[in-house]
Amino acid sequence: DVKVTQSSRYLVKRTGEKVFLECVQDMDHENMFWYRQDPGLGLRLIYFSYDVKMKEKGDIPEGYSVSREKKERFSLILESASTNQTSMYLCASSSGTSWSDTQYFGPGTRLTVL
Amino acid sequence: KQEVTQIPAALSVPEGENLVLNCSFTDSAIYNLQWFRQDPGKGLTSLLLIQSSQREQTSGRLNASLDKSSGRSTLYIAASQPGDSATYLCAVFYGGATNKLIFGTGTLLAVQP
Repeated sequence: DVKVTQSSRYLVKRTGEKVFLECVQDMDHENMFWYRQDPGLGLRLIYFSYDVKMKEKGDIPEGYSVSREKKERFSLILESASTNQTSMYLCASSSGTSWSDTQYFGPGTRLTVL
Repeated sequence: KQEVTQIPAALSVPEGENLVLNCSFTDSAIYNLQWFRQDPGKGLTSLLLIQSSQREQTSGRLNASLDKSSGRSTLYIAASQPGDSATYLCAVFYGGATNKLIFGTGTLLAVQP
């Protein structure tokens, strides 16, 4: 079974803090994704990566950056957390050269920024 | 604009009932369509993936259909159980310049024992 893990289930941070969200997958998948999920807005793509050290902006990259130093790990970084970044963050991975393959999701990190 | 809509936003049914969840999309040039399940406070679990060339996919009590020309998909759940209670999300993959999944906002299903 594919397993995607996220470093924290719940996280509380203060405005202005630098926040790291970690995601690890154990299936040697090439593609990894970061989404945020908000009520009424659904899932929105923040960043994705199709290979080590490669990254592409999604729909809402502002205020975020990412890092993929190893194939299995994809980190989302909030450089200076703000209250409007309070959300559920979901990481996903998929195999192959096509991003249309099934995405496997982690359990999510609920981030609250005070 | 490529949008995915799910109606209703919430649905409550008694146990044992057969039910249909709806998904519509504005641009019919899809690559594939997926149905996911999300339990409260959890991540998404893929249920079914239908390629654009397919009309339906089945897994156990679940059957998903796709009608590209009308921009619609349905998820049919037979003999519903309380354990089916969750949010069901539809996501459409568009290739080309879009090249990503676009998600609906989901239908929250409650199956009453």
